[in-house]
Amino acid sequence: SQKIEQNSEALNIQEGKTATLTCNYTNYSPAYLQWYRQDPGRGPVFLLLIRENEKEKRKERLKVTFDTTLKQSLFHITASQPADSATYLCALVADSWGKLQFGAGTQVVVTP
Amino acid sequence: SAVISQKPSRDICQRGTSLTIQCQVDSQVTMMFWYRQQPGQSLTLIATANQGSEATYESGFVIDKFPISRPNLTFSTLTVSNMSPEDSSIYLCSVEPGRGREETQYFGPGTRLLVL
Repeated sequence: SQKIEQNSEALNIQEGKTATLTCNYTNYSPAYLQWYRQDPGRGPVFLLLIRENEKEKRKERLKVTFDTTLKQSLFHITASQPADSATYLCALVADSWGKLQFGAGTQVVVTP
Repeated sequence: SAVISQKPSRDICQRGTSLTIQCQVDSQVTMMFWYRQQPGQSLTLIATANQGSEATYESGFVIDKFPISRPNLTFSTLTVSNMSPEDSSIYLCSVEPGRGREETQYFGPGTRLLVL
């Protein structure tokens, strides 16, 4: 299986700034990679999916990039808001049946 | 999309007992997954449960400890057997509504288990 690395330290950011999170993996490049948001006491919620042949994907204030050469995905939250405070998980598809392998997540704290 | 409910939402159990967690989906799905999330950790896949076949367990998880049922396309149960404090965790089920059409997974709210 892959080793998936996300920043373990919480990212503290001021409202209005851009938060950038990193997801690195070690082995094969997956067919696609996903980002989820998880709030305390809740299950993860899907945010974005990016395929290996896509360099960038956007959804509202969110942007994801996927660099198979660097084996890295970046997740950006622009114009961050306190409501964006949560833990963000990256997940790589591990097989053709859609089994996912998750990173440990990075906590984002947006302060007013 | 899919809406998923889990029961119970939380429980406190004595060591040596067993707990069965239920997962109900509002639509028929082929793929269902059970995960464990220990405090401060990420999600670890326990098993994949497809209707009409035996569950497929990940390395480190066995059927005797985590028996799974999948009687139909909208329901599954996970039993945590002979519990010990190390089983204290959040257990989540998820579904992938349509393989090939939609690869995203939808998660239930989780069952928070504390074993004393």
